[in-house]
Amino acid sequence: DAGVIQSPRHEVTEMGQEVTLRCKPISGHDYLFWYRQTMMRGLELLIYFNNNVPIDDSGMPEDRFSAKMPNASFSTLKIQPSEPRDSAVYFCASSLRERVTDTQYFGPGTRLTVL
Amino acid sequence: RKEVEQDPGPFNVPEGATVAFNCTYSNSASQSFFWYRQDCRKEPKLLMSVYSSGNEDGRFTAQLNRASQYISLLIRDSKLSDSATYLCVVNNLGSSASKIIFGSGTRLSIRP
Repeated sequence: DAGVIQSPRHEVTEMGQEVTLRCKPISGHDYLFWYRQTMMRGLELLIYFNNNVPIDDSGMPEDRFSAKMPNASFSTLKIQPSEPRDSAVYFCASSLRERVTDTQYFGPGTRLTVL
Repeated sequence: RKEVEQDPGPFNVPEGATVAFNCTYSNSASQSFFWYRQDCRKEPKLLMSVYSSGNEDGRFTAQLNRASQYISLLIRDSKLSDSATYLCVVNNLGSSASKIIFGSGTRLSIRP
C-alpha cells in the first residue's frame, strides 16, 4: 500500500487566500484525522472522521477552517481566508477499523506558509 | 499541569549507550498509550504501543505504570539511526475525555 497520501507537500500563499489541503487515507481504514504541528504548540488534533462522518471537530481553531470527507478515499482541509498564524505543517493520518484508539498512520504532511 | 509531559531533552548520548525517557499523563482513566518517533521534517511514525504488562521490541522496551501515571521508553545499545524526536501519545478518543494528546517530544541525538 502507498500509505497516506497528502498534497500538496508544500504550499506558499498570501494572507487572505483560500488554501485547500488534500488527503487520501490508506485503503480500508475507517478513521481519518487532521493534525497541525507547530513549534509552539506541538501536534494538535483538528478534526477526525469515522466512515466519512465528522465525529469531533473541537480542535478546529475557528470558522476559517473546514474539513470534508466526501468518500472513503478522499478528504480536504480548507482554510479561508488564510492568515500568517496558520503557517504550520498539516498532517493527515488514518487508522484501521474498530477502535478509534488504534494505531494511526501519518501522511508526509503539507508544509503551509502564509505570507 | 500539562495533560502529557515529557522529559525536555535534548539527550546527547554515545553510540551503544542505554537511554530512557519518561512521560507522565494527568488523566488517570487513560487507556491507550503509544510511542512515536519523528525524524526531522518527517511525519510521526509508530514506534511501539504501550501495554500494561510492558512490551519489548528488539532494543526497545516500553512500560506503563498506572499507579504513578507514567510511561517509559528504554533504548538499549543505541544506534546512530535512533537519533530522532520521540513523542509520547495518550489516546482517549471515544471516551468521555475524547482527546488524543501528543507530548512535546524528547530529542535524542546519538553521537559516534
